[in-house]
Amino acid sequence: DADVTQTPRNRITKTGKRIMLECSQTKGHDRMYWYRQDPGLGLQLIYYSFDVKDINKGEISDGYSVSRQAQAKFSLSLESAIPNQTALYFCATSDILGGQFFGPGTRLTVL
Amino acid sequence: KQEVTQIPAALSVPEGENLVLNCSFTDSAIYNLQWFRQDPGKGLTSLLLIQSSQREQTSGRLNASLDKSSGRSTLYIAASQPGDSATYLCATAGSARQLTFGSGTQLTVLP
Repeated sequence: DADVTQTPRNRITKTGKRIMLECSQTKGHDRMYWYRQDPGLGLQLIYYSFDVKDINKGEISDGYSVSRQAQAKFSLSLESAIPNQTALYFCATSDILGGQFFGPGTRLTVL
Repeated sequence: KQEVTQIPAALSVPEGENLVLNCSFTDSAIYNLQWFRQDPGKGLTSLLLIQSSQREQTSGRLNASLDKSSGRSTLYIAASQPGDSATYLCATAGSARQLTFGSGTQLTVLP
């Protein structure tokens, strides 16, 4: 079984809808991250969390919110989706040495 | 703000060639530097991680170097194979282990 899982894997939605992307991990890591990747570009950090009580904004947090329900679960929400949020979204965890482990990604299309 | 640049954006080589991918970064105060591989439509696979105190790491046919003073890292791939075709991403880790990514180098190894 994969160490970092994301659901759904693909999602098509309409402008203005609220969307939640979920991430679960079995690696036992405290640190979790959400990144966004646009076509032909690298990944950009949206939010990160050190533990359930410590959540921090990344470089592109506007329009997004997160919830750390437990050490193993970190969810990303788009409160009112817009077309330029169409992208590939990745969840990741980090070990104490800073190595990061990525989920398979969620492809989101906002029409 | 950290900026990571990868050159070239795309590279095509015949099978068997040795090749070098380049990565540069503007802020030398990094925790580590990582190289990832990304296949089309897939997640990221970690290739090598170099801690800030290290100069290089090797794994099989891959060797990555780090020169913090000049803000540069290289990924050397020996005896390239068609299966090496992918996008290679370089990323630096900050104090919270959050990653700043380059835009990647798309490598094609021709049989």
